[in-house]
Amino acid sequence: DAGVTQSPTHLIKTRGQQVTLRCSPKSGHDTVSWYQQALGQGPQFIFQYYEEEERQRGNFPDRFSGHQFPNYSSELNVNALLLGDSALYLCASSLAFAVPGELFFGEGSRLTVL
Amino acid sequence: AQSVTQLDSQVPVFEEAPVELRCNYSSSVSVYLFWYVQYPNQGLQLLLKYLSGSTLVKGINGFEAEFNKSQTSFHLRKPSVHISDTAEYFCAVSVTGNKLVFGAGTILRVKS
Repeated sequence: DAGVTQSPTHLIKTRGQQVTLRCSPKSGHDTVSWYQQALGQGPQFIFQYYEEEERQRGNFPDRFSGHQFPNYSSELNVNALLLGDSALYLCASSLAFAVPGELFFGEGSRLTVL
Repeated sequence: AQSVTQLDSQVPVFEEAPVELRCNYSSSVSVYLFWYVQYPNQGLQLLLKYLSGSTLVKGINGFEAEFNKSQTSFHLRKPSVHISDTAEYFCAVSVTGNKLVFGAGTILRVKS
């Protein structure tokens, strides 16, 4: 049973560029959430997708956008990258009506902005 | 809004000793409470959760936590730690279910 898979695992960008991160949820899961984990901090909620729509959003600017596909996989896009966007980006999958907070996390995509 | 404070950034402990990782939360409404563990270069894994009912919850790998509503705390404990427990531990709260608010984490270092 494949867990949550994310790609790429590492990437380096320069300020002003755009990046797309990808996530495939655990088999059978229909909800995908994205979190940003800066160095030395806990993960911060970016947004959540269910039925191909953004359902909840954290305190992140519009430069952060996402998408969910019919097969439940998801993308996170960040435009006009800033140095402060350097972080580990975690994808978590779950079932929409399952036990609250029972998220399954991928290993993350580590983004470095130079 | 909810917030989580993990009172210790690092906790060193010798193998087979007991350990407690402290977590306090702030919320004006009832919350669900969680502990997640992150091993090096891995994603987060759910250790245990409190949704309702008994205030003492047991999780995987011998960990347990106690919900104290009056002190707004949810401390994590293990009576005897192993080297393999070395990891970063995150306390989290949720009101809506799957939108988690995490603390800054506590690094548990188990020494032989």
